[in-house]
Amino acid sequence: RKEVEQDPGPFNVPEGATVAFNCTYSNSASQSFFWYRQDCRKEPKLLMSVYSSGNEDGRFTAQLNRASQYISLLIRDSKLSDSATYLCVVNEVYGNKLVFGAGTILRVKS
Amino acid sequence: DAGVIQSPRHEVTEMGQEVTLRCKPISGHNSLFWYRQTMMRGLELLIYFNNNVPIDDSGMPEDRFSAKMPNASFSTLKIQPSEPRDSAVYFCASGAGGPPETQYFGPGTRLLVL
Repeated sequence: RKEVEQDPGPFNVPEGATVAFNCTYSNSASQSFFWYRQDCRKEPKLLMSVYSSGNEDGRFTAQLNRASQYISLLIRDSKLSDSATYLCVVNEVYGNKLVFGAGTILRVKS
Repeated sequence: DAGVIQSPRHEVTEMGQEVTLRCKPISGHNSLFWYRQTMMRGLELLIYFNNNVPIDDSGMPEDRFSAKMPNASFSTLKIQPSEPRDSAVYFCASGAGGPPETQYFGPGTRLLVL
């Protein structure tokens, strides 16, 4: 079983749609969680951290369910510029090692 | 501010040749990470350094790969001899410390081994 699993997609949605991505992780002792965004042929960039209480940044909302070892990302009012691959990332318990999921592809179309 | 700098940005080489990838982390960051990304395996951590010391090299695929960080502003990843299956995008990332830690990625080196 992979340490971090994501639905690869692609998710094809119209502009203005709401889309949700899910991610599960296998190590119950993991402490920190993130969503990174990667544009085509570019490097990954931090989108947002994920906290147990949930957090929101504009149109983006991230949720963490430790009991189910499940992380989600909700994007409201999708824009064409949201088209990218979204990577679910988990910080291992010890040290600074990040484990990346394979990514979910989002395509927003007009 | 300059981000993480990697060179070369593209490299095409023949099987058996030595390849050296270079990275300059963000000034002041004390952690440096080398990743490899392929369609099949996604983004994999190869090795990471903290204060120039290798901490975890369990992701280094085999003895053909080696990495060094002689000082806080420079690191290399070397493949010798290179093989076609080494073709990938190699990213360097740096971080200011943690955990948890935000990592900032360089633009990557696209390596093609023929």
